Amino acid sequence: KAGVTQTPRYLIKTRGQQVTLSCSPISGHRSVSWYQQTPGQGLQFLFEYFSETQRNKGNFPGRFSGRQFSNSRSEMNVSTLELGDSALYLCASSLVLAEGSGANVLTFGAGSRLTVL
Amino acid sequence: AQTVTQSQPEMSVQEAETVTLSCTYDTSESNYYLFWYKQPPSRQMILVIRQEAYKQQNATENRFSVNFQKAAKSFSLKISDSQLGDTAMYFCAFTYYEKLTFGTGTRLTIIP
Repeated sequence: KAGVTQTPRYLIKTRGQQVTLSCSPISGHRSVSWYQQTPGQGLQFLFEYFSETQRNKGNFPGRFSGRQFSNSRSEMNVSTLELGDSALYLCASSLVLAEGSGANVLTFGAGSRLTVL
Repeated sequence: AQTVTQSQPEMSVQEAETVTLSCTYDTSESNYYLFWYKQPPSRQMILVIRQEAYKQQNATENRFSVNFQKAAKSFSLKISDSQLGDTAMYFCAFTYYEKLTFGTGTRLTIIP
């Protein structure tokens, strides 16, 4: 079956612009999480959605937002881009076996590499 | 807050040898999950192995096994008979609810 699909794979933006990244989870997976990966900060949790509701949020400014659609596809948006937003953005989906237990195994997409100039 | 520490930024080992990657974590929770993920040059994050904290038995997956010491909050990964395809960044991760906290990673290079 198809894996987690992220689009676009690469994109270049300039400071002040906004960007929208898309994530299509594995069929049947209702939880979608987003992570930011940078050389300096490593992998950091952005947010997690389940059944169109944001359940968890990391420590990122309000410029970072997301949403999930009824088909479980998710988008994240970053407004007013800053140079420090250059990163690999990873999306992961999971089949919720036991809600809130942490038992769910995340399957990651290949990521969207954002460069802000 | 949970923290995950990987004290070995880089390691290298000859092909077919055994290597152990270290990981320690800090949490006040008693029931949680620990993971090792690998990230090869393709940047695709791949699950290597998972350990439930309530299970005393160490998880194994083919050539990969863990040494889970709950009291010491230690979770090391052993790779036996290492192969060139094992070259990657390895991340230790902790999850309590639907949020993974990652360590800083260990860059492992398998030398032919």
